[in-house]
Amino acid sequence: GDKVKQSPSALSLQEGTNSALRCNFSIAATTVQWFLQNPRGSLINLFYLVPGTKENGRLKSAFDSKESYSTLHIRDAQLEDSGTYFCAVPKVVFGTGTRLQVLP
Amino acid sequence: EAAVTQSPRNKVAVTGGKVTLSCNQTNNHNNMYWYRQDTGHGLRLIHYSYGAGSTEKGDIPDGYKASRPSQENFSLILELATPSQTSVYFCASGAEQNSGNTLYFGEGSRLIVV
Repeated sequence: GDKVKQSPSALSLQEGTNSALRCNFSIAATTVQWFLQNPRGSLINLFYLVPGTKENGRLKSAFDSKESYSTLHIRDAQLEDSGTYFCAVPKVVFGTGTRLQVLP
Repeated sequence: EAAVTQSPRNKVAVTGGKVTLSCNQTNNHNNMYWYRQDTGHGLRLIHYSYGAGSTEKGDIPDGYKASRPSQENFSLILELATPSQTSVYFCASGAEQNSGNTLYFGEGSRLIVV
């Protein structure tokens, strides 16, 4: 089965609302990375995390290595947040992705 | 600005032909990676490298070879291309694991094998 599972697999949000994406690992992970693949296909780095939390603007991510999961919180969703979000753990195994659509 | 450049960006190949996808990075990163992205599978690791002269098998290496002749360049080679290798391929570079540096991706190479 998938070593890195993401949920939900797809999500539609109204502009201005909040949501959380989750990444569960069945392999030991000491770090986690989050990426956004925009509608053009480009992969954009969002976060690189050791256990703990990081915040960048409207995005906040948390990583719990003992419980083997990470979350990505999106606050006040904007249209440009639309795309597919991936988490990845060393040796850079990617999750299956969460496709996010922000609706006006 | 970290830069990873892939070529070609688009390629149509015939079954049984040889395909080489090239990747160049100007980040001076030791680690480089090749992934393929298919609907329903996310990104899957094909081969990776820890530095010039090294190549390691990823999760789905069958049907692919890799070559890392220098720090900057990492190639993915399909000796006998098959239609199942039709996909979008991404190259990435990164510093040492757990160093605090993340991955930088190229723009992707779309390969169609007919």
